[in-house]
Amino acid sequence: SYVLTQPPSVSVAPGQTARIACRGDNIRRKTLHWYQHKPGQAPVLVVYDDKIRPSGVPERFSGSNSGSTATLTINGVEAGDEADYYCQVWDGNRDHPVLGGGTKLTVL
Amino acid sequence: QEQLVESGGGVVQPGRSLRLSCAASGFTLSSHAMHWVRQAPGKGLEWVALVSYDGRKNFYADSVKGRFTISRDTSKNTLFLQMNSLRAEDTAVYYCARGKYQLLLAAPLDVWGKGTSVTVSS
Repeated sequence: SYVLTQPPSVSVAPGQTARIACRGDNIRRKTLHWYQHKPGQAPVLVVYDDKIRPSGVPERFSGSNSGSTATLTINGVEAGDEADYYCQVWDGNRDHPVLGGGTKLTVL
Repeated sequence: QEQLVESGGGVVQPGRSLRLSCAASGFTLSSHAMHWVRQAPGKGLEWVALVSYDGRKNFYADSVKGRFTISRDTSKNTLFLQMNSLRAEDTAVYYCARGKYQLLLAAPLDVWGKGTSVTVSS
């Protein structure tokens, strides 16, 4: 089955840019979605269809998918952005979603 | 306001059964694919099960296939997860989630509940 790989952790200082990578076989041919998950809360969709931001998600969040890596970029990181972030694609061979292992974003 | 509220979690012994519910409001379940996703303690999110918008197709993660059954009651606008032969490794917070695009299986999950906790322990 399809596998998505994310770095376990990313750390950035407030105001800096965080980039969270998601890798998979021929990932540029897949449609990527990203979720933010804070402890004790429901996960939140922050980017879908590679680069579309749902209403209510700050413009600081953006997505890209090219080459061998998909990336979630958070500009001007704030303390409130500290969370786990997951990438997700659809596995068409098995007709179900596949989630990456998650990346813990720490704001220093 | 579109909302999902899970219930039915608890502590159960290995080998026993439990049924989770997910009440939807603000939208109609029968227009969207619906999912269950779980998070075991200290682990990441794991997709568990999916039912198509019309209820005719179900898909399961290998880890629960043959033990869990996803279903829905459109008259109550409620999604269910019947969990049988529970194991310690099924211990997790279980979330229900909605597929964003009506009628499609392949869609991002745009509405999530806050989850219900299941602990499998003797």
